[in-house]
Amino acid sequence: EVQLVESGGGLVQPGRSLKLSCAASGFTFSNYYMAWVRQAPKKGLEWVATISTSGSRTYYPDSVKGRFTISRDNAKSSLYLQMNSLKSEDTATYYCARLGPGSPYYYVMDAWGQGASVTVSS
Amino acid sequence: DIQMTQSPSSMSASLGDRVTITCRASQDIGNYLSWFQQKPGKSPRRMIYGATNLAAGVPSRFSGSRSGSDYSLTISSLESEDMAIYYCLQSIQYPWTFGGGTKLELK
Repeated sequence: EVQLVESGGGLVQPGRSLKLSCAASGFTFSNYYMAWVRQAPKKGLEWVATISTSGSRTYYPDSVKGRFTISRDNAKSSLYLQMNSLKSEDTATYYCARLGPGSPYYYVMDAWGQGASVTVSS
Repeated sequence: DIQMTQSPSSMSASLGDRVTITCRASQDIGNYLSWFQQKPGKSPRRMIYGATNLAAGVPSRFSGSRSGSDYSLTISSLESEDMAIYYCLQSIQYPWTFGGGTKLELK
């Protein structure tokens, strides 16, 4: 069974940093692109980052570019999101999601984690 | 950026109704369009990928279609378990963008 389990969420002050983790199991992690998607309270879904299988290619929207970094450790079947210079508007539930198999742009987000809650507030 | 305009933002329907939700893309996205269902307090679930392909385990009453730049999700006969918020997503070009969502409620 495919499982994605996020951790590392919590309350953080504006301007500080937080790192989310996503532990994957039930599939060959190194064969799949992965992504982070967030959802602010009572709001819609927003794509946050995508990473290639090797980690050599990463993609971000302008809203987080330069502040967030997606990375992965294929040996540990783990995905990460390092969030720096956090703002109140980054308050959201953050989901990790699997892309693929095959074209990661076609077979998107076929599995999701349960989400990690991040609150940015003083 | 590609804008995905989703309509309606909310709707109510009766059990057994045929329901259609639409997303319009501001640029050509080919068939790089997916639909997701999200129930309260739950993670999203992929329902349709490639505009028309039913995801594994999704009931056959769900279907996806395309007409030009308009993409539709149709539920042929609404069941109570289908009450949820539905989102479309374009994944042909970064930044990937979701539609604003459609909240489907029981009439």
